[in-house]
Amino acid sequence: GAGVSQSPSNKVTEKGKDVELRCDPISGHTALYWYRQSLGQGLEFLIYFQGNSAPDKSGLPSDRFSAERTGGSVSTLTIQRTQQEDSAVYLCASSPGGASGEETQYFGPGTRLLVL
Amino acid sequence: AQRVTQPEKLLSVFKGAPVELKCNYSYSGSPELFWYVQYSRQRLQLLLRHISRESIKGFTADLNKGETSFHLKKPFAQEEDSAMYYCALLEYGNKLVFGAGTILRVKS
Repeated sequence: GAGVSQSPSNKVTEKGKDVELRCDPISGHTALYWYRQSLGQGLEFLIYFQGNSAPDKSGLPSDRFSAERTGGSVSTLTIQRTQQEDSAVYLCASSPGGASGEETQYFGPGTRLLVL
Repeated sequence: AQRVTQPEKLLSVFKGAPVELKCNYSYSGSPELFWYVQYSRQRLQLLLRHISRESIKGFTADLNKGETSFHLKKPFAQEEDSAMYYCALLEYGNKLVFGAGTILRVKS
């Protein structure tokens, strides 16, 4: 079946502009995660959605970052007033979650963001 | 804070040689550990998880709580094993904490 998909695959923007990154999780997965992969910091957790619960935003690096998940499916990560240090690959993952106890996270191909 | 340490940035071995990718962790509870792999121009994918006790593509990893280690091993490396390998710990709240990653290069 279809895996996690992300769009766009690449995004180049100017410092100070806002960007939106999209994630389509695997159908039926209730848990969705955003991570960031950068040269200096490696792979870092950003935010986690589980069903209708309040998201865990503990990994968001600043208030310029926000994310939402509409209808328990698609998620959008928004970065406002982008800075050069936001340049990274943004990865989305999903897992079955819930009562299944299946914790394996399946990753999307990522969005490569470059802030000039 | 929970941490995952992969001491080697690059590990280079010859085809047919044994491979051991090191991973150490610090965690106050009962850890759940994973190895993820990223082949060139492919997405990050799960290789194995310790609770499954499987061997995937000839790789195994044993959790050693005494040494707080979860090293990845393969007795005979193949060229197609060349990739970036990440050790990861599932933290409370379902967040994965990743190590810095180790690039494995298998030379012919």
